[in-house]
Amino acid sequence: GQQVKQSSPSLTVQEGGISILNCDYENDMFDYFAWYKKYPDNSPTLLISVRSNVDKREDGRLTVFLNKSGKHFSLHITASQPEDTAVYLCAAGPLNTGNYKYVFGAGTRLKVIA
Amino acid sequence: DPKIIQKPKYLVAVTGSEKILICEQYLGHNAMYWYRQSAKKPLEFMFSYSYQKLMDNQTASSRFQPQSSKKNHLDLQITALKPDDSATYFCASSPQGYNERLFFGHGTKLSVL
Repeated sequence: GQQVKQSSPSLTVQEGGISILNCDYENDMFDYFAWYKKYPDNSPTLLISVRSNVDKREDGRLTVFLNKSGKHFSLHITASQPEDTAVYLCAAGPLNTGNYKYVFGAGTRLKVIA
Repeated sequence: DPKIIQKPKYLVAVTGSEKILICEQYLGHNAMYWYRQSAKKPLEFMFSYSYQKLMDNQTASSRFQPQSSKKNHLDLQITALKPDDSATYFCASSPQGYNERLFFGHGTKLSVL
């Protein structure tokens, strides 16, 4: 299968808390996993990504965890802020240089409330 | 300044007509793509081009035809438009080599009546 699923269409988190966004995929040939952020009427922008040879990558408040055996990856946002409010898209695909044919999830709408 | 320019931002068309969606990128990338997002559906890969050559086509219908007149252009011609074609069409590009990041344009929102 080619599907990438985000089980939670929406998530509300208190300011300062940890936002945890989840993504499941079906194709075990995928070896690249990414999270994009999208504001309404705007373009998706890459937040953080990881290749299959690592199971964790951190960048500031963002951490991606990859569980290849479980075909699952997640994004943790610590110290969540109101400006983190957006739609988060997970994406996965094979690593073919110059031909990045990613499968995207439907998105999780994150709302961070003060 | 936007580095990937898509024109127009909004487009309304009648069923059966033909439209061209414009995409120009000024990032110096050699690979360009079209993705589509229909209402309540995930962003979906359509085409990829590298050095103006078609790499991959996941679109079942021949009504969708990419056109690359220059290295930094990848337009999308859609013929015999149907209401189901209504969606936001995103153009994207990526650098060559092992940098897997996609850079997206702001999209063209197409409504077919």
